[in-house]
Amino acid sequence: AQSVTQLDSQVPVFEEAPVELRCNYSSSVSVYLFWYVQYPNQGLQLLLKYLSGSTLVKGINGFEAEFNKSQTSFHLRKPSVHISDTAEYFCAVSDPDQGGSEKLVFGKGTKLTVNP
Amino acid sequence: EAGVTQSPTHLIKTRGQQATLRCSPISGHTSVYWYQQALGLGLQFLLWYDEGEERNRGNFPPRFSGRQFPNYSSELNVNALELEDSALYLCASSLAPAGGMNTEAFFGQGTRLTVV
Repeated sequence: AQSVTQLDSQVPVFEEAPVELRCNYSSSVSVYLFWYVQYPNQGLQLLLKYLSGSTLVKGINGFEAEFNKSQTSFHLRKPSVHISDTAEYFCAVSDPDQGGSEKLVFGKGTKLTVNP
Repeated sequence: EAGVTQSPTHLIKTRGQQATLRCSPISGHTSVYWYQQALGLGLQFLLWYDEGEERNRGNFPPRFSGRQFPNYSSELNVNALELEDSALYLCASSLAPAGGMNTEAFFGQGTRLTVV
């Protein structure tokens, strides 16, 4: 079964600093990868997804992620964060080879806190 | 277009009681997923319904059950509530099984269940 590891449970940064949130997944076979964001008292919103093609994926709110198959990683980055980026970020993986993925497997989340 | 709606937003129950949570998917979406987000445990997959049928369930006891109605809305029922069932329950919907090509799972804002 697929699993996702988010190495940092909490990441504090200062406003306008760059940030990287790390994500590693277990399988070396073809996968689809996602990053979701959860603002306080809200549901999850899709930031970006990797299905195929270019390994550098750009998402909303200035975020991007790079798919690295050899390292089974899909780290999320933003060159300059804002206070409004304070939220919890979840990496998720699915396996398209199982006849259409019926569920997403999520990491435990990384709480990003942007300080002034 | 309305997003995924969940009701109620908050629910307080006593241990041993039953809880019923409701979810209305985005119009046209046939797949509905339920996830449990308990403190410190991340998002755990509960159930997947598609076209009125249960397609998959996560590693939860049988007292967690549900159904999908002809209009694709869904109910999650939790019987014999235990204190550890306290969590945010998130519902998501998609056009096709989540994670497939060009699909995206849209999440509701969740139902906060508190068992006392």
